[in-house]
This record gives sequence, structure tokens and C-alpha cells, in this order.
Amino acid sequence: QSVLTQPPSASGTPGQRVTISCSGSSSNIGTNSVNWYQQLPGTAPKLLIYGNNQRPSGVPDRFFGSKSGTSASLAISGLQSEDEVDYYCAAWDDSLNAYVFGTGTKVTVL
Amino acid sequence: QVLLVESGGGVVQPGRSLKLSCVVSGFTFSVNGMHWVRQAPGKGLEWVADIWHDGSKEYYADSVKDRFTISRDNSKNTLYLHMNGLRAEDTAVYFCARDVWGSGYKVLDYWGQGTLVTVSS
Repeated sequence: QSVLTQPPSASGTPGQRVTISCSGSSSNIGTNSVNWYQQLPGTAPKLLIYGNNQRPSGVPDRFFGSKSGTSASLAISGLQSEDEVDYYCAAWDDSLNAYVFGTGTKVTVL
Repeated sequence: QVLLVESGGGVVQPGRSLKLSCVVSGFTFSVNGMHWVRQAPGKGLEWVADIWHDGSKEYYADSVKDRFTISRDNSKNTLYLHMNGLRAEDTAVYFCARDVWGSGYKVLDYWGQGTLVTVSS
């Protein structure tokens, strides 16, 4: 059962900007940093954003993460067809002593 | 190059046991905490368990507590997940992942490719 809530889907046309929200609580996002993963079908999640807004080497600057209070967001600018995959937010939860994930959002490029 | 390779998945009957392994390379295994995360077919990611770098502490999701045991052998660069009393709802791809901590962040950064566990009679 996911602790963090995301919209099930998001969409945009090529070149547009899409934003995915992630809602949590004081024991997870409110206290700890947020990470974002991108997952292609049948593959392992790939780290996209860590520490709320840091991009690992190789991740394009079209991906931008932010956090405010107990919520976080992932913005994808200049939407491309290859961005049409699943995205998950994640954070440590100090009450559960667990790494909790969001419900996942599927991005569609129209 | 950091590499994590899981093995041990397969088809098992309900109530039976299975042991997964995750062999790592490309980093100093004894420095990092390690995790198991699973994904049921067509579903989202679910954290299963983690173990501290030295094996001194373990944490489990409520859904697997008292049935699964995470362990590690730092001399063999290997992480394990012992699964007992398997249920149909444990059917999933199981990923191992490394965690890293830094100033202002804690994250699972590298993941294995996953191994499929199917619980079915």
C-alpha cells in the first residue's frame, strides 16, 4: 500500500511542460528529501531526481524536482516521446522506518 | 561500474519457501545499506526490507514481517532475502537496490534488473 499519492496519469503534447505531484505527510516528505524514478516497461526503476532537486549525471535538465511542505513535484519540460513511461516519487518515512513510494504516474505524449 | 544481479526467482507453491540472492560489484558493498523492493504485475513499487551496511539492523514492511528475512554476507558481496510462508500476493518482480546518504539526501540509487517470483499452486 503506497504512502505517497500521485495522479495516475498526466499528458501533454511534444514540447509542452508536464507536472506530476506527490503528496505525503510530516513523517516522510515533511521531514526527508524526495526522490523521483523513471521506469520503462519491464525494466528496473532509474533514478531521475534525488534530494528534492538534484539530477544524477546523465539526466537531462528538462527534468526538474521541487518540494514544499509535505508535497513535491516533478516537472518535465520540452516533452518528448521517450518520456512516455511511468514515474514514481519516493522518500524515507521516519514513522514506518521504511522507504515509501508514490502510487505512480503514467505520462502520455499526445 | 556498479552492478547488482539478482537470482533465485521462480514458481513456488503457496506456503513454501524461496531464497533470493543479489550479487553486487563495482563498489564497496560493506559501506552501503541494501534493500529489497518488489513490484507485482501491473502494479506500483513496494518497499520490502532493508539492512544496514554491517548487518546490525533490519527493517521490514508490515506485509512481509515475520515471514521474510533479509541478510547479507559482506565477504561475498551478496545480499539475500529468505521468504517463508509465501502467498499469492507475494507474486512480483523483486529488485535489490543500494542506498546512499549524503548532505540533505537519502536515496536508493542503483538497482538490479529484478527476479520474478510467482506463487501459484
